[in-house]
Amino acid sequence: EVQLVESGGDLVQPGGSLRLSCAASGFSFSNSWMGWVRQAAGKGLEWVANINPGASESYYVDSVKGRFTISRDNAKNTLYLLMNSLRGDDTAVYYCARVGRAAGDFDSWGQGALVTVSS
Amino acid sequence: DIQMTQSPSTLSASVGDSVTITCRASQSISTWLAWYQQKPGKAPNLLIYKASSLESGVSSRFSGSGSGTEFTLIISSLQPDDFAIYYCQQYNVYPVTFGQGTRLEIK
Repeated sequence: EVQLVESGGDLVQPGGSLRLSCAASGFSFSNSWMGWVRQAAGKGLEWVANINPGASESYYVDSVKGRFTISRDNAKNTLYLLMNSLRGDDTAVYYCARVGRAAGDFDSWGQGALVTVSS
Repeated sequence: DIQMTQSPSTLSASVGDSVTITCRASQSISTWLAWYQQKPGKAPNLLIYKASSLESGVSSRFSGSGSGTEFTLIISSLQPDDFAIYYCQQYNVYPVTFGQGTRLEIK
């Protein structure tokens, strides 16, 4: 069974940093594209970033470019999202997701990690 | 960026009804489109990928069609568990973008 478990969500001050982790199990993590999707309270889904299996390619939504970094440790089956210079509009539930067979859909999701940016 | 527009934003229906949700892309995305269902407090769940392929384990009451810029999700014989929010997503080009969502409510 595919499992994705996020951790690291917290309350952080504007301008601060946070690193989210996503522990993967039940599938070949090292052969899978992975991504992060976020959702502000009461709002829709917003894609944040994707990374390829070898970590040689990564893609970001414009609003986080230069502030967020997606990375992975295939030996630990873990996906990361390092978030710097956090702003109030980054407040959201952050989901880790596996990219599916159609090479762009997300076929498995974690339960989400809440990031709150507030003073 | 490709804009995805869903209609309607809210849909009221009864158990047993069939409903159609439409998703329009601001430019052609071929068939690189997915549909998700999301229930309150839960992560989204993939229903349809590549516009019309049913994800494993998803009820055959869900079907998707379309290509280019116009796509539809049809849910037949609505069950109580189907009342949720539905999102479309394009993955033809980065940035990946989602529609704003369609809330399916019980009439």
